Amino acid sequence: AQTVTQSQPEMSVQEAETVTLSCTYDTSESDYYLFWYKQPPSRQMILVIRQEAYKQQNATENRFSVNFQKAAKSFSLKISDSQLGDAAMYFCAYRSVDYGQNFVFGPGTRLSVLP
Amino acid sequence: GAVVSQHPSWVICKSGTSVKIECRSLDFQATTMFWYRQFPKQSLMLMATSNEGSKATYEQGVEKDKFLINHASLTLSTLTVTSAHPEDSSFYICSARDRAHAPNQPQHFGDGTRLSIL
Repeated sequence: AQTVTQSQPEMSVQEAETVTLSCTYDTSESDYYLFWYKQPPSRQMILVIRQEAYKQQNATENRFSVNFQKAAKSFSLKISDSQLGDAAMYFCAYRSVDYGQNFVFGPGTRLSVLP
Repeated sequence: GAVVSQHPSWVICKSGTSVKIECRSLDFQATTMFWYRQFPKQSLMLMATSNEGSKATYEQGVEKDKFLINHASLTLSTLTVTSAHPEDSSFYICSARDRAHAPNQPQHFGDGTRLSIL
């Protein structure tokens, strides 16, 4: 079974600065998908960014980018120019390529943005 | 974009009551829906996978008779918490996969239901 680990329960960043959230996972599969989801106080799950394991190029979405290291099974999220609205719980998630497979979520990292 | 509607958003009821939560895909067809449970300050834990027209697949430790799941159409799955007790109080979230999308597409989440059992 796959597992996802987020070693930072809480992180804080100054507004406009850059922060990196860590995620590692364990799997025996060679192809899979990785996601970062954001859950603000409203508890709505919001997709931040996704990465296909077969792609070597790191995904980017505006201020959000990932550092995907397949051999190390590492998938960190970098948030640049942090904004107050970025404050939330961030969950790293793994999903197999088999259609219908659910997400395996990490325990989450609570990010605070300081004004 | 794809929308998943979850209803109700918040329910408070007495112990022993059965509570039904609906999860609807509004603008796409979902052959598979997932039900998650989230305790305060914790991650989402998969409870069951709901497949249209067939029995749900429950995760280990989830009581099938306690959490009844019905996926009668391609746009609706329901979770019924039977004879709810205070320990069932939690945040329940559904998500759905668009059958027309490739596997690399993300699931679409509902906004969740906060269940409080008195």
